[in-house]
Amino acid sequence: GAVVSQHPSRVICKSGTSVKIECRSLDFQATTMFWYRQFPKQSLMLMATSNEGSKATYEQGVEKDKFLINHASLTLSTLTVTSAHPEDSSFYICSARDMGQQSATQYFGPGTRLLVL
Amino acid sequence: AQSVTQPDIHITVSEGASLELRCNYSYGATPYLFWYVQSPGQGLQLLLKYFSGDTLVQGIKGFEAEFKRSQSSFNLRKPSVHWSDAAEYFCAVGAWAAGNKLTFGGGTRVLVKP
Repeated sequence: GAVVSQHPSRVICKSGTSVKIECRSLDFQATTMFWYRQFPKQSLMLMATSNEGSKATYEQGVEKDKFLINHASLTLSTLTVTSAHPEDSSFYICSARDMGQQSATQYFGPGTRLLVL
Repeated sequence: AQSVTQPDIHITVSEGASLELRCNYSYGATPYLFWYVQSPGQGLQLLLKYFSGDTLVQGIKGFEAEFKRSQSSFNLRKPSVHWSDAAEYFCAVGAWAAGNKLTFGGGTRVLVKP
């Protein structure tokens, strides 16, 4: 149980284009999902908290107009990197909080590696 | 604010030897504590968690961790390491009062020698 998927697993795009990453909880419902960014050999940095049916909450320093988050259902959140630039290249990981379990446990997706040329 | 420190960036251990990874946290109240493992290019897998109760927590893959409130620590241990345990290990702190956000330590990379 508690499986989270991400799609795509890796994507290469040209500078200036937009890229959408999907995060799905496969066997549980999640009112809250989280989006993280991880640079090589570093820890995870929380970008935003995605809440089903409401606006996402962004961490300080994260541009909400650049990283658009939509949490349209209890099993799906999407992160769109708009007008991507090479500095946006990174490993993006989502997590989902199981509504039915003790509240703080997050289950992580396998990550999406984004390369912007 | 929450903070998590993993003092060891790298640890090398021989296969079959014991392993201990250190984690210290700073938080005003008792937080939720987690250990996750990440293989290269992969997401994070939950090894174990502590919310309350027994301070010695058993996890998957033969791992255990002990919460010591007096030392603000949550160290991870495994009695006998397997080559497949080579990975990056992250300690994380969460709290209901912080919106259940997780704060991660910097990670410890474990290398296993044959």
